Amino acid sequence: DAEITQSPRHKITETGRQVTLACHQTWNHNNMFWYRQDLGHGLRLIHYSYGVQDTNKGEVSDGYSVSRSNTEDLPLTLESAASSQTSVYFCASSPWTGTNSPLHFGNGTRLTVT
Amino acid sequence: QKEVEQDPGPLSVPEGAIVSLNCTYSNSAFQYFMWYRQYSRKGPELLMYTYSSGNKEDGRFTAQVDKSSKYISLFIRDSQPSDSATYLCAIAGNQFYFGTGTSLTVIP
Repeated sequence: DAEITQSPRHKITETGRQVTLACHQTWNHNNMFWYRQDLGHGLRLIHYSYGVQDTNKGEVSDGYSVSRSNTEDLPLTLESAASSQTSVYFCASSPWTGTNSPLHFGNGTRLTVT
Repeated sequence: QKEVEQDPGPLSVPEGAIVSLNCTYSNSAFQYFMWYRQYSRKGPELLMYTYSSGNKEDGRFTAQVDKSSKYISLFIRDSQPSDSATYLCAIAGNQFYFGTGTSLTVIP
């Protein structure tokens, strides 16, 4: 079955370190997204991509970057981790461009920045 | 004002009860409405997807959209312990806007 796999499931890192969270999907979807989920804020969009070599900023993109070199993967990099980036991170994909295309989510990466 | 507001609960009901979950939204131009279910330590999974106003039924679940009031609802009939989860409403404008989620516990 097609799926989205996120790794690692849990990560503890120190302030100032660079961290990369992996996302791999086998749906063959062009569109991929990164969200963070925090109590009281719900899911907030960090970055998204509509295809290879395409990346766009979401509402909370400061301190994060993504790159899209193939259809299957959209890694999320925290350039210099901060305590405010402690969160649960979800990767998602969708089959067609446009917000009428429902999102399929991975099971998340729980990141703690100490 | 947030694009979508959702009562966080928590909500606790006995098995077999009818559950009503609700969200309000701000922009009358929104046309696509979704409900996601999220179990603990898992990602959200799409439960219901509706376009424009009206009702959509899928088994024990009914999604209702009232565009005149900018109000969306999810009803769960004959609730089961396996329905215990957090339910997120989502509305599609130029991007997806998610509610903060309502935590539901169904007690056997």
